[in-house]
Amino acid sequence: QKEVEQNSGPLSVPEGAIASLNCTYSDRGSQSFFWYRQYSGKSPELIMFIYSNGDKEDGRFTAQLNKASQYVSLLIRDSQPSDSATYLCAVNTGFNKFYFGSGTKLNVKP
Amino acid sequence: EAQVTQNPRYLITVTGKKLTVTCSQNMNHEYMSWYRQDPGLGLRQIYYSMNVEVTDKGDVPEGYKVSRKEKRNFPLILESPSPNQTSLYFCASSLSTGVKLFFGSGTQLSVL
Repeated sequence: QKEVEQNSGPLSVPEGAIASLNCTYSDRGSQSFFWYRQYSGKSPELIMFIYSNGDKEDGRFTAQLNKASQYVSLLIRDSQPSDSATYLCAVNTGFNKFYFGSGTKLNVKP
Repeated sequence: EAQVTQNPRYLITVTGKKLTVTCSQNMNHEYMSWYRQDPGLGLRQIYYSMNVEVTDKGDVPEGYKVSRKEKRNFPLILESPSPNQTSLYFCASSLSTGVKLFFGSGTQLSVL
């Protein structure tokens, strides 16, 4: 079983729609959770981080964490073609290790 | 400009020829780490370092070495590269563990 699981996609949404990306993790002791965006051939860049149960909003992005269900999600409102990328879910277990999912590819169609 | 600098960007080598990928950060970060990225497998942690002279294995350390003699530098060493080490490698740093990672621009390594 992988530490962090993501649907590889691609997830296709029309411009202006809400894109919903999901991630599950296996270690109940995980302490911090991150969403990175990675354009093809580029390095990952941080979009959101969340430490506590509930929702965290930043502009068009909302991260949601449910520790009981071991589930993290990222919502992107008013999706734009420039949001088309691979989104990586990452989990820090508190033992100095980061685990990344294999990523979900998002296509936003004009 | 705050950044993580990785070199080289592309590297083609042959089996068994020792190589080093350099990584340097100018943010005075305590934590540095190396990852490899393979299709369908995502980013996997190779080694990490909490501070100078403190390093530990990640999930896929076999065939790799690291050192942290200075806070800003964290080179990745492949003593005897093999074709299964062909991958995209990223160095990353952060102020401490569990917080935002800053990534280098990546090194695409091909071992023939």
